Amino acid sequence: AQSVAQPEDQVNVAEGNPLTVKCTYSVSGNPYLFWYVQYPNRGLQFLLKYITGDNLVKGSYGFEAEFNKSQTSFHLKKPSALVSDSALYFCAVREVTGYSTLTFGKGTMLLVSP
Amino acid sequence: GAGVSQSPRYKVAKRGQDVALRCDPISGHVSLFWYQQALGQGPEFLTYFQNEAQLDKSGLPSDRFFAERPEGSVSTLKIQRTQQEDSAVYLCASSRTGREETQYFGPGTRLLVL
Repeated sequence: AQSVAQPEDQVNVAEGNPLTVKCTYSVSGNPYLFWYVQYPNRGLQFLLKYITGDNLVKGSYGFEAEFNKSQTSFHLKKPSALVSDSALYFCAVREVTGYSTLTFGKGTMLLVSP
Repeated sequence: GAGVSQSPRYKVAKRGQDVALRCDPISGHVSLFWYQQALGQGPEFLTYFQNEAQLDKSGLPSDRFFAERPEGSVSTLKIQRTQQEDSAVYLCASSRTGREETQYFGPGTRLLVL
């Protein structure tokens, strides 16, 4: 069975500093990987995805993520955090072949202080 | 363009009542998904439609949950004889066909069963 682990319930960072939100995954084959962000009382907004090709994926709002197959990780990064980046972030995985649904992690709350 | 819309945004039901939650997907999106998000958790898959065909309902927690998409567009998630444990946010997502395609989420319906 596929799974996603987001080891940190909360990440705190000062505005202007780089941020990293961690994600590791487990699938039996190759993965499609996604990051979503959720603001209060809102649905999930798509940030970026890894399908194939370059391991460094760039997405919306200056976010990027690096796919590391050997470490089965897909950490979300941003060089300079903004207060407005404060939100709940979800990593999700789906297998490339065979049938599987999209499996989400529990989420990581990012708090950016002024 | 218009995104995924859901109605109602909030629903309070007395235990034992039936509820119906509506999802309007992005126009032209063949795939439609329902998820349940409990407080402090990531979304969990409930069911999946391709056009009007319900291809996977393995995530529906009990036979009190029923979903339909009769014309391959709008979908309704119905919960019969609601229980307190049904209280959650119900998210709908749609996508084009293809396993690599991004799922776009609606704002969700927050259901509270008293």
